[in-house]
Amino acid sequence: AQSVTQPDIHITVSEGASLELRCNYSYGATPYLFWYVQSPGQGLQLLLKYFSGDTLVQGIKGFEAEFKRSQSSFNLRKPSVHWSDAAEYFCAVKPPGAGSYQLTFGKGTKLSVIP
Amino acid sequence: GAGVSQSPSNKVTEKGKDVELRCDPISGHTALYWYRQSLGQGLEFLIYFQGNSAPDKSGLPSDRFSAERTGGSVSTLTIQRTQQEDSAVYLCASSPRDEQYFGPGTRLTVT
Repeated sequence: AQSVTQPDIHITVSEGASLELRCNYSYGATPYLFWYVQSPGQGLQLLLKYFSGDTLVQGIKGFEAEFKRSQSSFNLRKPSVHWSDAAEYFCAVKPPGAGSYQLTFGKGTKLSVIP
Repeated sequence: GAGVSQSPSNKVTEKGKDVELRCDPISGHTALYWYRQSLGQGLEFLIYFQGNSAPDKSGLPSDRFSAERTGGSVSTLTIQRTQQEDSAVYLCASSPRDEQYFGPGTRLTVT
């Protein structure tokens, strides 16, 4: 069974600083990979996804993520954080291909932004 | 376009009562999921519907939980004889294929 590890429970950064949130997965093959963001009291919003091809993917709100097969990682990055980015971020994986539908989520990383 | 909607947004109920939570998926999405999000447990898969196929109920925690999807669209999650441990946020998601789009959730509090 696949698993997802987000090693940082809580990260605090200053507004304008760069950000990297870590995600490692365990799966026999390369899964489909996702990052979601959840603001307080809200549902999860899809930031970006990786299925295949270019290992650097661009998402919404200025986020990007890089897939590294050798490290089984899919880290989320943003060059300059805004106060509105304060939220909880979830990495998720899904087995590739039709017929595989369950998303497995990490425990989440809560991001706080200092003005 | 309209996203996934859920109702009610908040529900407070007494222990032992039954509750129904509703999900309206994005139009045209064939797959629908229910998840439960609680402190310390993260996001737990509950049930999956795909078209007219039999649902995958493997994530339902007990037989007090059931769900149905009518006409391949709206879904209702029912919890019978609620317990305090059922307190959580219940999230619904729909999917056209591989990525899932989530609703705002229903926060259930069992007193």
